[in-house]
Amino acid sequence: DTGVSQNPRHKITKRGQNVTFRCDPISEHNRLYWYRQTLGQGPEFLTYFQNEAQLEKSRLLSDRFSAERPKGSFSTLEIQRTEQGDSAMYLCASSLILQTARGASTDTQYFGPGTRLTVL
Amino acid sequence: AQTVTQSQPEMSVQEAETVTLSCTYDTSESDYYLFWYKQPPSRQMILVIRQEAYKQQNATENRFSVNFQKAAKSFSLKISDSQLGDAAMYFCAYRTNTGNQFYFGTGTSLTVIP
Repeated sequence: DTGVSQNPRHKITKRGQNVTFRCDPISEHNRLYWYRQTLGQGPEFLTYFQNEAQLEKSRLLSDRFSAERPKGSFSTLEIQRTEQGDSAMYLCASSLILQTARGASTDTQYFGPGTRLTVL
Repeated sequence: AQTVTQSQPEMSVQEAETVTLSCTYDTSESDYYLFWYKQPPSRQMILVIRQEAYKQQNATENRFSVNFQKAAKSFSLKISDSQLGDAAMYFCAYRTNTGNQFYFGTGTSLTVIP
């Protein structure tokens, strides 16, 4: 399978615990995005990486959240001291972005299946 | 700020018929990209179709086509000859040419009636 994979698919934790999710992007993709999706809503941007550099973070990403992409390949998203409001689907997406004369290329994102987090 | 609005939370269509899903967006940019993504129940999101704003021609992809009205900031998706497998949540998304964030609408849940 050469698509985007995420692990675990489901995570149930107690409030106050730390959790870590992993995303493996499509191998040749240089960009990796994290989104959060709550019921009845579209995905909300959290952060993205260009290779190993984290270039942008949303205001949704509080200091309890940290993301890494140490070698420019897989990425991890850690949530410390989880709260019930963190319950959501966490989506990862990857893309291959190229610079063209017009600026960045179309940057079609390919999504993983998501990790559903439930905080009790 | 960029926003994407999908005003139809739910839509239904008879199998083999045609349905149009609406999307409007707000931006001050002139160069950007628009996307429709499909998210089947309990399955991952996949790209349906994309449109570059500088192209006047509407994008088509088999049974899927868009009606892109740049002046009106409207980007609707037409699904022809609807099939049972088209049942899903459909999200409209926007990205500027220079920006890095995707902005998604709240989605339209499409039901296909046999």
